[in-house]
Order: sequence, then C-alpha cells, then structure tokens
Amino acid sequence: GENVEQHPSTLSVQEGDSAVIKCTYSDSASNYFPWYKQELGKGPQLIIDIRSNVGEKKDQRIAVTLNKTAKHFSLHITETQPEDSAVYFCAASKNSNTGNQFYFGTGTSLTVIP
Amino acid sequence: SQTIHQWPATLVQPVGSPLSLECTVEGTSNPNLYWYRQAAGRGLQLLFYSVGIGQISSEVPQNLSASRPQDRQFILSSKKLLLSDSGFYLCASTSGSGANVLTFGAGSRLTVL
Repeated sequence: GENVEQHPSTLSVQEGDSAVIKCTYSDSASNYFPWYKQELGKGPQLIIDIRSNVGEKKDQRIAVTLNKTAKHFSLHITETQPEDSAVYFCAASKNSNTGNQFYFGTGTSLTVIP
Repeated sequence: SQTIHQWPATLVQPVGSPLSLECTVEGTSNPNLYWYRQAAGRGLQLLFYSVGIGQISSEVPQNLSASRPQDRQFILSSKKLLLSDSGFYLCASTSGSGANVLTFGAGSRLTVL
C-alpha cells in the first residue's frame, strides 16, 4: 500500500517569512496530491492540490511542487501571516474501481510568530 | 460543491454505552463516503469507506461499525464504547467514482469517560 511521510512535524516561522512542508510517497500509481489545513477543533479544509501531470501549482501565497521521479511533493507558503497557523496535512491518492483511497501524512503544526 | 453535515458536534459518553454518529452529504449524488478518526495531536486514521448503499469496507478492525442506509447518509456506530474510542471523528466525501477531491465535515468530538 501507499506510505506518505511528512516533515517537519512542527514548524515555527516569523511573520513574513516563508514556510515549507515536505512529503514523500511510495506508490508510483498515486496521481493526486491534496494539501489540507486544519484549524483547532475544525475539519480539514482543502487549500491546494496538484495532479501528476503538473509539476507546480500556485494560488496567491500558496504553491505546491511535485517531483514524480523522486516521489515527493512540497507545500510552500510565502509571506506568512498569523492566520496561517494551523496543522497542515498532505495526502496521496489514486483512482480505484473500489473507491479512491487517500493516504495522509502525519501532519505539520505550523506556528507563525507575529 | 459538496456540503457535509455531521452531528452531534460533541458527545460525552460513559464506557460501555452505545454510539451513533451521523453524516449526510448535500450537493452531489453517489458519493464515496469515509469515516476518519483523529486522536488528540495525531494524524487521520481511515476507519471505513463506502462506494455505495450497503457497501462498507473496514480499514481497521475494532468495536466500531458503519452503515450506509441511503446514498448520502453514513452512520458510525458502536454497541459498547471503550475509553480508546475517544477522539475527533470526521466524515468525508468525494463526489462520486473517479472524482478525487475529498471534502471533510466539521467533525464530531467524542469523549468516553
């Protein structure tokens, strides 16, 4: 099965600096890689995703890169703000006739220091 | 877009009591449905998923069960709760076979005392 590893588990940055979270996956058949932001006591919210036919995707201050050869993908947040503080999860997924499966990393707790 | 409703939002139950958490989905038909559990400070553990009415797959054997009586309804149950069942339970949905985007509900926090 798929194994997704996520690093670091905790990350503190000064407001305005950049934050980078990295994930690796093991199944070369995985073709969809979403990132979720989870605020305390709430359900995870999709913030950006990338499919295997694309190497990079950007949405304002958030970007994701994918290296299929190395089987790793990363989340980049620029000009961080205090409201970016949350737990971030990466995931890998592939199409399946029995239902798409999503394999999550263990999460990164990001703290943006004002 | 999909909207997922979960209830109750919080629940405190004694050990040995039954459990029923409900989830309904709006805005899509024939969704794939998922139950995840999140222990305090930890990641997301897939418990059950369903690709259709009455079709349930279990990822982790334990004293929980799931049912899907209607296309957009997913229920998580237990006959007798254990202390270790405490956690944050999340229902999630994709908009049908072949669709990847996974949407989560707001979660149900269960405390077993």
